[in-house]
Amino acid sequence: QVQLVESGGGVVQPGRSLRLSCAASGFTFSSYGMHWVRQAPGKGLEWVAVIFYDGSSKYYADSVEGRFTISRDNSKNTLYLQMNSLRPEDTAVYYCAKDIYGTSSGIHYWGQGTLVTVSS
Amino acid sequence: QSALTQPPSASGSPGQSVTISCTGSSSDVGGYNYVSWYQKHPGKAPKLMIFEVNKRPSGVPDRFSGSKSGNTASLTVSGLQAEDEADYYCSSCVRNNNVVFGGGTKLTVL
Repeated sequence: QVQLVESGGGVVQPGRSLRLSCAASGFTFSSYGMHWVRQAPGKGLEWVAVIFYDGSSKYYADSVEGRFTISRDNSKNTLYLQMNSLRPEDTAVYYCAKDIYGTSSGIHYWGQGTLVTVSS
Repeated sequence: QSALTQPPSASGSPGQSVTISCTGSSSDVGGYNYVSWYQKHPGKAPKLMIFEVNKRPSGVPDRFSGSKSGNTASLTVSGLQAEDEADYYCSSCVRNNNVVFGGGTKLTVL
């Protein structure tokens, strides 16, 4: 069965960096687009970024463009999110998610999430 | 890209049907057939219930159905059950392969 396990969350000061990882299993990782989605405390879901199956294309929400970088290592079945210049409003549970297809068509499976808290 | 508009709450009694709307524009819901619906219980990961407007993933009961008219998509839950009580989110793919979510609807089974 599909498993997505996020790691790397924690408490970080404003302006600092953090890298999230997502270990994928149970499917052919290199065939699917992958997303990061976040949910701030008490708020709704917010899409963050997507990377195509082969890493050839990456797209970001305006709120993180220029600060966050999505990447993947298909040889390790792992998705990453490098988060720089973090702000308090980036505080959220971050979900790794598998697309329905190879690019960006909709989100099928989700991980359990990892909490990122940006606070001094 | 603005969030899609959903009613904050909806409710129904067991066995009844309830419909949740998701309103966008011709730049998202109205312009693409990549509309999805997710069910989210507190503290749990979201679960895909409907994709491509009206398709159900394997394992999702046929009590859940989706449709779209113009810039508004809808999720209908028929034969409400207690376990259907959750938050429901719609999403749409938009230009540049971005994704936009609705604000979420809390469904209460009375």
